[in-house]
Amino acid sequence: QKEVEQNSGPLSVPEGAIASLNCTYSDRGSQSFFWYRQYSGKSPELIMFIYSNGDKEDGRFTAQLNKASQYVSLLIRDSQPSDSATYLCAVSGNQFYFGTGTSLTVIP
Amino acid sequence: DAGVIQSPRHEVTEMGQEVTLRCKPISGHDYLFWYRQTMMRGLELLIYFNNNVPIDDSGMPEDRFSAKMPNASFSTLKIQPSEPRDSAVYFCASSLGGSETQYFGPGTRLLVL
Repeated sequence: QKEVEQNSGPLSVPEGAIASLNCTYSDRGSQSFFWYRQYSGKSPELIMFIYSNGDKEDGRFTAQLNKASQYVSLLIRDSQPSDSATYLCAVSGNQFYFGTGTSLTVIP
Repeated sequence: DAGVIQSPRHEVTEMGQEVTLRCKPISGHDYLFWYRQTMMRGLELLIYFNNNVPIDDSGMPEDRFSAKMPNASFSTLKIQPSEPRDSAVYFCASSLGGSETQYFGPGTRLLVL
């Protein structure tokens, strides 16, 4: 079992819709959770991090954490074509683990 | 801050040659990470350092790979001899604290012919 699992996609949503990206992790001791965005040919860049159960909102982005279910999600509201990228979930406990990423395409 | 700096940005070499990748972390960061990214395997952690000391190199694929961090502002990843299957994008990242946000460099795109 991988430490961090993501659906590789591709996920396609129409412009203006909500994109929902999901991630599960195996280490119950994990304490910090991150979402990175990676455009094609570029390096990963941090979008959000979350430490506590519940929701954390930043503009059009909402991260959701459920430690009991070992589940992290990222919601992107009012999706824009510029949101088209691969989204990497990362989990930190004893070590830092990245998921393989979910490819998102926002269709104009 | 200039961010994490990597060089070269692109490297094309022939099988059997030595390749050296370089990284300058963000000033003040105490953790440095080397990753390899391919379409097939995604982002793989190769090795990471804390205060210039290698902590976990279990991700280094084989003895052909070695990494050093002689001081807080410089690290190298060396492949000797290189093989075509080493072709990938190699990222360096740094953070302040091992569980905190990692900031990535632009990557080195390596092609071994």
